[in-house]
Amino acid sequence: EIVLTQSPGTLSLSPGERATLSCRASQSVSSSYLAWYQQKPGQAPRLLIYGTSIRATGIPDRFSGSGSGTDFTLTISRLEPEDFAVYYCQQFGSSPPGWTFGQGTRVEIK
Amino acid sequence: EVQLVESGGGLVQPGGSLRLSCAASGFTFSSYNMNWVRQAPGKGLEWLSYISGSSSTIYYADSVKGRFTISRDNAKNSLYLQMNSLRDEDTAVYYCTSLSSAYKFLMGWGQGTLVTVSS
Repeated sequence: EIVLTQSPGTLSLSPGERATLSCRASQSVSSSYLAWYQQKPGQAPRLLIYGTSIRATGIPDRFSGSGSGTDFTLTISRLEPEDFAVYYCQQFGSSPPGWTFGQGTRVEIK
Repeated sequence: EVQLVESGGGLVQPGGSLRLSCAASGFTFSSYNMNWVRQAPGKGLEWLSYISGSSSTIYYADSVKGRFTISRDNAKNSLYLQMNSLRDEDTAVYYCTSLSSAYKFLMGWGQGTLVTVSS
C-alpha cells in the first residue's frame, strides 16, 4: 500500500503570502490519480486539484498543483483569508486497489 | 446540482451494528462508482470502501474488511454501508462520495453522519 506523507504538518503564514505544501509517496504514483482537497472545520472536504495539476471547477487560479513520481506539491500563490484550512493529498493505487490520503497540512494565520 | 445526504449514524455499543444510508440526487446515480470515507474526531481522512455502478466490483480497506459491507440500490438512488462488530476506533464522521472514473478523485461529498461507538 502506498503511504502519502505531507509536510509540513502546520504552515503559519500571513494573508498575501505564498504557501507551498508537499506530498511525498512511499512509491511512485500515477500523476493521473493524485488529487488535493481543502477542508474547513465542520465541513466536508472540497476537491481543489485532480490529475496532479488540473483545477476543479470553480477553484481560483491562485491554487496550482505540480509534481510526478513520488513528489507532489500544492501551491497557493497568495493566501486569501478563506484559504486558511487543512489540505489533504490523495492517491488511487491499483495493487491493492484503494485510495489513500496524506495526514493533512494545516495552513493557519500567523 | 449533485447532492449526497448521509443518514443512519448514532451511538452504538462496541460489538454492535449500524447501517448507514446515502441518498443521491442531481446526477445519474447508476452511472457512478461510489465510495465511503470516514474521519475520526480531529484526525485525517480514511477511505473505507468502493462499489462500482453495477455493484459488480467492490473493494474494502483492510481496517473494515469482513466487518463492513457496501451495497447500493440504483432504483432508489441510494448507497449503503452495513457496519458490524463495531469498535471504539470506528467512531468517526462517515461520508459517501461519488467518484471520477477517469481520474479516480472523490467528486461529490455529503455532509457526513457521525457514528459514535461507546459503552
